[in-house]
Amino acid sequence: AQSVTQLGSHVSVSEGALVLLRCNYSSSVPPYLFWYVQYPNQGLQLLLKYTSAATLVKGINGFEAEFKKSETSFHLTKPSAHMSDAAEYFCAVTGSGGSNYKLTFGKGTLLTVNP
Amino acid sequence: DTEVTQTPKHLVMGMTNKKSLKCEQHMGHRAMYWYKQKAKKPPELMFVYSYEKLSINESVPSRFSPECPNSSLLNLHLHALQPEDSALYLCASSQGQRMDTYEQYFGPGTRLTVT
Repeated sequence: AQSVTQLGSHVSVSEGALVLLRCNYSSSVPPYLFWYVQYPNQGLQLLLKYTSAATLVKGINGFEAEFKKSETSFHLTKPSAHMSDAAEYFCAVTGSGGSNYKLTFGKGTLLTVNP
Repeated sequence: DTEVTQTPKHLVMGMTNKKSLKCEQHMGHRAMYWYKQKAKKPPELMFVYSYEKLSINESVPSRFSPECPNSSLLNLHLHALQPEDSALYLCASSQGQRMDTYEQYFGPGTRLTVT
């Protein structure tokens, strides 16, 4: 079974500072990994996904993530935080074969951006 | 049009009521999903429809009854709910059911309160 662990339920950064949201995965098969963002009172939006192509994945809104198999990690970064980045971020994993219909989400990390 | 719409936005119902949630997409997607999201928690998959047939039921209680009348519409019928069923109900759709291949598009959700 696949799972993800997000380290830090709440991350606070200053506007213009680096954003780093941590995600570690556990999977017995090659994982497919995702980062979603959820703004208050809205649904989820896909930021980026890793599907075994390039290990450095670029997404929308200036975010990127690097897949590191040796560290079983898929951390999300953005060089310079914007006030508009304040939201809940979810890392998710799906498996291959028969289990690839289901996204398993981490518990989420709330990002606050201070002016 | 990459939008998934959900109605109503908010719903308050008593434990003896019968109500329905509605989800609509016009992207030609053939897979549709219902998720339940409790406050400060990640979404949990409830049901998956593929080509208008129920393909996955994640052991959801029978007081939740999904229906897919056509390829654009997904309903969730609610009956005899409990207060612990209060949550944000999210609908999503994708071109196909494989999460390693297709992106899920989420609607804004219906916030349900059971009194």
